[in-house]
Amino acid sequence: EIVLTQSPGSLSLSPGERATLSCRASQSVSGSHLAWYQQKPGQAPRLLIYGDSARATGIPDRFSGSGSGTDFTLTITGLEPEDFAVYYCQYYVNSPITFGQGTQLETK
Amino acid sequence: EVQLLESGGALVQPGGSLRLSCAASGFTFTNFAMNWIRQTPGKGLQWVSTFTDSGGSTIYAGPVKGRFTISRDVSKNTVYLQMNSLRDEDTAVYYCARGSYSGWFLFDHWGQGTLVTVSS
Repeated sequence: EIVLTQSPGSLSLSPGERATLSCRASQSVSGSHLAWYQQKPGQAPRLLIYGDSARATGIPDRFSGSGSGTDFTLTITGLEPEDFAVYYCQYYVNSPITFGQGTQLETK
Repeated sequence: EVQLLESGGALVQPGGSLRLSCAASGFTFTNFAMNWIRQTPGKGLQWVSTFTDSGGSTIYAGPVKGRFTISRDVSKNTVYLQMNSLRDEDTAVYYCARGSYSGWFLFDHWGQGTLVTVSS
């Protein structure tokens, strides 16, 4: 089973700033096998990024993904008020599917 | 518009059973894998089970294997999760999610979730 560890656990930033969220895998995975989701309070997660940094339908280009091997990053450039939420990474190619524990992005 | 609507969540005693339903609309149901994922404050998001698209195979996470059964009714565009021998640790919000064109386990649409509470 691939264990995903996200850091930091929480991040306080202001609108307009750049957010960098990390996801580390317990063994090497292809970047094509990692996805990122956003979850707001009371809502289901929403797919943001998958594969080799492809954005899901309707996701603005301020969201980008990068990384390889065991270290992956979600970057949000120019934070908008609606971006403050919890973000999860996910390994999605083979069972068992796993998620990271999440990073809470808070308004400073 | 893709829509997924879960139902069936309830309070149930340990050892009991429950069946969750997820009614799908807005897409060709048989062309996509369907999944159940659960979420708890303590353990976060956990993938539970998948019903694949083409061959109709079923896949389960270790903690639920042998206790949970996923199935689908194509005449009703509905996927089910039969949960037996429920335990306290099965308490969670259960989400239904569609697998994307890019993979069974890449969840591109989610329902709103249904709460299952296992407690005496």
